[in-house]
Amino acid sequence: GAVVSQHPSRVICKSGTSVKIECRSLDFQATTMFWYRQFPKQSLMLMATSNEGSKATYEQGVEKDKFLINHASLTLSTLTVTSAHPEDSSFYICSASPDQNYGYTFGSGTRLTVV
Amino acid sequence: KNEVEQSPQNLTAQEGEFITINCSYSVGISALHWLQQHPGGGIVSLFMLSSGKKKHGRLIATINIQEKHSSLHITASHPRDSAVYICAEISSGSARQLTFGSGTQLTVLP
Repeated sequence: GAVVSQHPSRVICKSGTSVKIECRSLDFQATTMFWYRQFPKQSLMLMATSNEGSKATYEQGVEKDKFLINHASLTLSTLTVTSAHPEDSSFYICSASPDQNYGYTFGSGTRLTVV
Repeated sequence: KNEVEQSPQNLTAQEGEFITINCSYSVGISALHWLQQHPGGGIVSLFMLSSGKKKHGRLIATINIQEKHSSLHITASHPRDSAVYICAEISSGSARQLTFGSGTQLTVLP
């Protein structure tokens, strides 16, 4: 149980375009989902906390107008990278947890390359 | 601010060796995760623990709350264990955010 599905797994886009990444909890409801970014050889960094039915909470230094998060249902959160630039190229991954007694499950990640 | 320190950063072992990866954290936590990240990037949760010890197959995780320290042990290591191992603390409180260590790149040679 506690499966999180993320797609696409890999995307290449041109500078200036937008890319949407989806994160779905398949067998549980997630009122909260987390979005992380990981640059090569570095640790995962929390970008934002996605809250179902309300605004996302962004970490310091993360532009909310550039990284749009929508959590419209209890099983789906989306991250849209708007006006992508090459420096946005990174590995993006989401996670969620069914409840406090259960650990976190991660999506399979999305490798974004902006050319 | 919570900080999570892992050691070693890189570890190379021969198949069959006993492996230990250490993790220290700075403030009180709700629980701690040990994660495994494969070369493609996918992350698998190995353990979540808040006290004592857990075992799953050849993997053992321990945590000492008083010393703010956790260890991940791999017995009879195998090349397929090669991956990045990450400890991540779960903050106390309702947010339950994860703070990640920098990871340990483990390579097990045949």
